[in-house]
Amino acid sequence: EVQLMESGGGLVQPGGSLRLSCAASGFTFNSYAMSWVRLAPGKGLEWVSVISGIGDSTYYADSVRGRFTISRGNSKNTLYLRMNSLRAEDTAVYYCAKGSSRYWSDYHFDFWGQGTLVTVSS
Amino acid sequence: QSALTQPPSASGSPGQSVTISCTGTSSDVGGYNYVSWYQQHPGKAPKLMIYEVSKRPSGVPDRFSGSKSGNTASLIVSGLQAEDEADYYCSSYAGSNNVLFGGGTKLTVL
Repeated sequence: EVQLMESGGGLVQPGGSLRLSCAASGFTFNSYAMSWVRLAPGKGLEWVSVISGIGDSTYYADSVRGRFTISRGNSKNTLYLRMNSLRAEDTAVYYCAKGSSRYWSDYHFDFWGQGTLVTVSS
Repeated sequence: QSALTQPPSASGSPGQSVTISCTGTSSDVGGYNYVSWYQQHPGKAPKLMIYEVSKRPSGVPDRFSGSKSGNTASLIVSGLQAEDEADYYCSSYAGSNNVLFGGGTKLTVL
């Protein structure tokens, strides 16, 4: 059974940093691209970033490029999102989501975690 | 790039069919056959219901179907059941390794 468990969310001041983690199990982790997707209060889902199965390619939404960094530790079956220069508009529940291929070539997410809440406020 | 456009709400009685639309542009929905639909119950993780416009993952009831015409994709839920009440989001590939989501539609089973 595929399981994805996010952690690391919390309250952070504007301009601050946070690192999210997503522990994966139930599948061969390095065989699949992984993404972060967020849901801000009162808004729809927003794709944030994706990393290939072996970590050799990464892509970001314009809204986070240059501030967020996605990475993965395949030996630990864990996905990460380093978030710097956080803004109020980054407040959201952050989900990790599994792709269905090693490289992001089919553009959908077949399993999701329960999410972790990030609140950016002074 | 703007989010895809979905109606904020939709409703139907048990046993009826309901269609949820998702409108984009020729640069996203109309340009690629990579439209997906996700179901999210309150406080739960989103669940993939439809991918590549009309394909159903294993385990998703065949009451759920998808289609696309031009720049608009649709999710059709037939034989509505109480457990179908949830938020539904569409997404589409938009080129340049970018995916857009819709604003979400709250489906109410009357």
